[in-house]
Amino acid sequence: SAVISQKPSRDICQRGTSLTIQCQVDSQVTMMFWYRQQPGQSLTLIATANQGSEATYESGFVIDKFPISRPNLTFSTLTVSNMSPEDSSIYLCSVASGPSTGGYTFGSGTRLTVV
Amino acid sequence: SQQGEEDPQALSIQEGENATMNCSYKTSINNLQWYRQNSGRGLVHLILIRSNEREKHSGRLRVTLDTSKKSSSLLITASRAADTASYFCATVGGTASKLTFGTGTRLQVTL
Repeated sequence: SAVISQKPSRDICQRGTSLTIQCQVDSQVTMMFWYRQQPGQSLTLIATANQGSEATYESGFVIDKFPISRPNLTFSTLTVSNMSPEDSSIYLCSVASGPSTGGYTFGSGTRLTVV
Repeated sequence: SQQGEEDPQALSIQEGENATMNCSYKTSINNLQWYRQNSGRGLVHLILIRSNEREKHSGRLRVTLDTSKKSSSLLITASRAADTASYFCATVGGTASKLTFGTGTRLQVTL
């Protein structure tokens, strides 16, 4: 199955600034998924990123706040813009693992704290 | 939004005991998956069960699926301290490939 390198692993940011999170996959994948996990909560899908097209955002998430880039089939970035303390969460990227398991592989997560 | 609920929210057992977690979901599915998350890090895929399957085993894991009740259970037998983690069910439905997660169960296994 795919291996994902996600960075940074954690960051503490000032409110009003932006942070870009990167995910590098060791194989080509069509779709990459970005999730948010608020403290003590489950995962919520932010958007699905396809190479060569605009990302598809879930209800409650907008491109101006969470712009996503997908320049090629192995890489994607998620930017958290104009941050507020409410954006403090773990952000994770994910790709399908392949037909052998049918499951999904996740990056190790970015723990973001906004102060 | 969450697909459904998991219970219990938290479970504390002793090493060697069995742990059972339940997941309920709301809409029709193609498959249901279980994941483990250690200390708020990345998720690890444990097992997948398709909508036409009723039971599946993998090592110490046993998963059941009842589509008529829209529910699933995960049984971990002979638990170990290393099984301490949060466990999430997640569903895939319709034509979408995305996962929709349940609320999660925090499992604590003590020596």
